[in-house]
Amino acid sequence: DTEVTQTPKHLVMGMTNKKSLKCEQHMGHRAMYWYKQKAKKPPELMFVYSYEKLSINESVPSRFSPECPNSSLLNLHLHALQPEDSALYLCASSQGQGLDQPQHFGDGTRLSIL
Amino acid sequence: DQQVKQNSPSLSVQEGRISILNCDYTNSMFDYFLWYKKYPAEGPTFLISISSIKDKNEDGRFTVFLNKSAKHLSLHIVPSQPGDSAVYFCAVSGANNLFFGTGTRLTVIP
Repeated sequence: DTEVTQTPKHLVMGMTNKKSLKCEQHMGHRAMYWYKQKAKKPPELMFVYSYEKLSINESVPSRFSPECPNSSLLNLHLHALQPEDSALYLCASSQGQGLDQPQHFGDGTRLSIL
Repeated sequence: DQQVKQNSPSLSVQEGRISILNCDYTNSMFDYFLWYKKYPAEGPTFLISISSIKDKNEDGRFTVFLNKSAKHLSLHIVPSQPGDSAVYFCAVSGANNLFFGTGTRLTVIP
């Protein structure tokens, strides 16, 4: 199994809702990542987990809350989002630690905030 | 301010010819460079990388060249195939940072 699986593929939510994005990999990778990508823009790194511990938080607002329950799972909890948070959210994993490691990406969750 | 720039949003190449995709970065602290390919509705896929101690890395039809003094890297694909049609992102890494370029859409014409 060489995939990173993200669910759901699409999510529409109101600004007062609470929802979660999920990411799963079974490649034994020990580093996992969340990215945000707006239309016609590059992916922007949000969070990095290494050995299930948060190692990088790129000054992301607290309405985004990451969680790594175990080495295969990565969640992104969403609460009180704003319309400008509408974007494609990508999850990735890598075998090694360090941002120089090649990453395996999921297909993303397209999030729309009403 | 963008740390990484891919100045060509799109490129069209005839099948069998060489495709050259370019990427410029601003900061000499970056010491590892990666290229990813992205098909529509899919996540990026890692292609090839190079560290700052090298100036060339080759993997089959793909070669990445690094010019540290010019802060420039390029990806050469030869021969180009229709299946190479995708968006190509360069990414630069260093000092606990990782930045992606805006991407170049490559179209290989059969």
